[in-house]
Amino acid sequence: AQTVTQSQPEMSVQEAETVTLSCTYDTSESDYYLFWYKQPPSRQMILVIRQEAYKQQNATENRFSVNFQKAAKSFSLKISDSQLGDAAMYFCAYSGLNNAGNMLTFGGGTRLMVKP
Amino acid sequence: EAQVTQNPRYLITVTGKKLTVTCSQNMNHEYMSWYRQDPGLGLRQIYYSMNVEVTDKGDVPEGYKVSRKEKRNFPLILESPSPNQTSLYFCASSPFPDSDDGYTFGSGTRLTVV
Repeated sequence: AQTVTQSQPEMSVQEAETVTLSCTYDTSESDYYLFWYKQPPSRQMILVIRQEAYKQQNATENRFSVNFQKAAKSFSLKISDSQLGDAAMYFCAYSGLNNAGNMLTFGGGTRLMVKP
Repeated sequence: EAQVTQNPRYLITVTGKKLTVTCSQNMNHEYMSWYRQDPGLGLRQIYYSMNVEVTDKGDVPEGYKVSRKEKRNFPLILESPSPNQTSLYFCASSPFPDSDDGYTFGSGTRLTVV
């Protein structure tokens, strides 16, 4: 079974600075998807960024980018120019292409605090 | 607006009193799923459905039931709730198995069982 680990329960960053959230996963599959979701206090789960494992190029979405290291099974999220609105819980998630039910396996989450 | 609608948003109930949390999506998605979120554990899948009348267990199905009589609806049923089912619940949907869009999530139901 796949597992996803987020080793940082909490992180803080100064507004306008850069922060990196860590995620590692364990799988025996060669093709899969990886995701970062943001959960603000409203509880809504918001997709931040996704990465296909067969793509070597790291995904980017505006201020959000990932460092995908397939051999190391690492998928970190970098937030540049942090804003107060980035404060939230962040979840790393894995989805295998052969998963029945398209199940997402989530890490335990990292709470990000942004200091003004 | 494309969305997954869950109700209620908050629910407090007593042990053993049957309850249903409703979930509806307007995107014609094939796949729907229920997750529970607990501190430090992230979200864990309870049940999923690949199509109408097709449902199966996820990682933590004990104490829960689901049904998929219509494509848009996927209710979660707790026949006899217990305090260890106190949690934050999410319904989610996606168009097909290999969707790289991940899931669209509902806004969550905070359930407290006393």
